This record gives sequence, structure tokens and C-alpha cells, in this order.
Amino acid sequence: AQSVTQLDSQVPVFEEAPVELRCNYSSSVSVYLFWYVQYPNQGLQLLLKYLSGSTLVESINGFEAEFNKSQTSFHLRKPSVHISDTAEYFCAVLPTGTASKLTFGTGTRLQVTL
Amino acid sequence: NAGVTQTPKFQVLKTGQSMTLQCAQDMNHEYMSWYRQDPGMGLRLIHYSVGAGITDQGEVPNGYNVSRSTTEDFPLRLLSAAPSQTSVYFCASSRLDTYYEQYFGPGTRLTVT
Repeated sequence: AQSVTQLDSQVPVFEEAPVELRCNYSSSVSVYLFWYVQYPNQGLQLLLKYLSGSTLVESINGFEAEFNKSQTSFHLRKPSVHISDTAEYFCAVLPTGTASKLTFGTGTRLQVTL
Repeated sequence: NAGVTQTPKFQVLKTGQSMTLQCAQDMNHEYMSWYRQDPGMGLRLIHYSVGAGITDQGEVPNGYNVSRSTTEDFPLRLLSAAPSQTSVYFCASSRLDTYYEQYFGPGTRLTVT
């Protein structure tokens, strides 16, 4: 079985400041890694994913995440946040070859203020 | 292309009532699934389906039934609602060959009193 740990339930940050949302996972098999974003009263949207290849993956709105196999981490970063980034962020893992085993962390609420 | 749609958006039930949450997708996706989202617990898989006529249980299936008669629709039935089923329910879908690209619906917020 696999598990995902997001240690920070809430992260307050000022606009234009950098932010890092932490994600650690545990799995005995190879996994794909994801970050989903949930804006208030909306469903989940895929922010970025790691399948293979370069360990650094980027989204179109300036977020990036780095897969670190030795530390079993997939932290999400943004060098300068905007008010519109306020949302809940979920890290998730999926064992390769199994659509039904998508496992989510408990989420991190990013609150950006002026 | 509407993607994944869910109805209703909100629902209040009394304990013991039954209802069906609807989920539909227009992307011809083989894989569909239902999750519930509870505070501090992330999303947990209830049931899933890899095609019409094929369903299976996820992590938290008790109290829920599903069927898949068409590729497009995957309804979730609560036969006798309980307060513990108060949650936000999300439907998701994907192609089987790109199962890692799962698309989520907007959710149904259910309250059982």
C-alpha cells in the first residue's frame, strides 16, 4: 500500500513571497506523483505530474515540483505567489499500472494575503 | 465538451432516505470513479469502474452502490443515508491508456441530518 503525508495543513504567505508545500510519500512499488489544486467550491484540477524523466516538473502558472526518490518527496514550490493562488493543494501518488489506487494526502490550504 | 458533470450540486437528506448522485462524462473515458472528501482526510475512493458492466470497490464502499450500464454514466446510490455519509462527493474519469490523467467533476455536497 502507499501513503501520502502533507505535514502542513495550512500555509499563510504574503503576496509575492515564495512558498513551498511539502509532500512525502511511502510506497513499495514505483509510483507516479501529482499535485492537484482545488479552488473554493470547485473540483480538483491537475496542477502538475511526474511520470518519468526529468525530476523537475513545471506547471503553466509558475509552480514547480521536484521528485526526490531518495527522500521520497515531491515538494511544490512557487517563487512568487499571487492572491489568486489561494486554494487547497493535494499531493497524490498512483502506482504505475493501476488507475484505481490514486492515493491523496490530506491537503494543504495555501492562504495568500496582501 | 462538458467534461465530467455531477448533479445535484447540493443535497440535504434525512437519515434513512435514499438518493442517487449522478455523474456523466462526454470524453468516452473507460475509467470512472467516485471519491468522498472529508475535512482532514483528503479524498478516499468509494467505487470505480473500468468499463460498462464492470465495477469494483474502493477503500470506503460500505453504504454505497454503483452500476455502469453505459460508458458515459456512473451513478452512485445511497440506499439508506446515514449522518456519517455527510461529505463532498467527487466523480472522476480517465482513459485506461492514460489512467494517470484523471479529470474530476465539480462535486456534490451532501448533508445527512
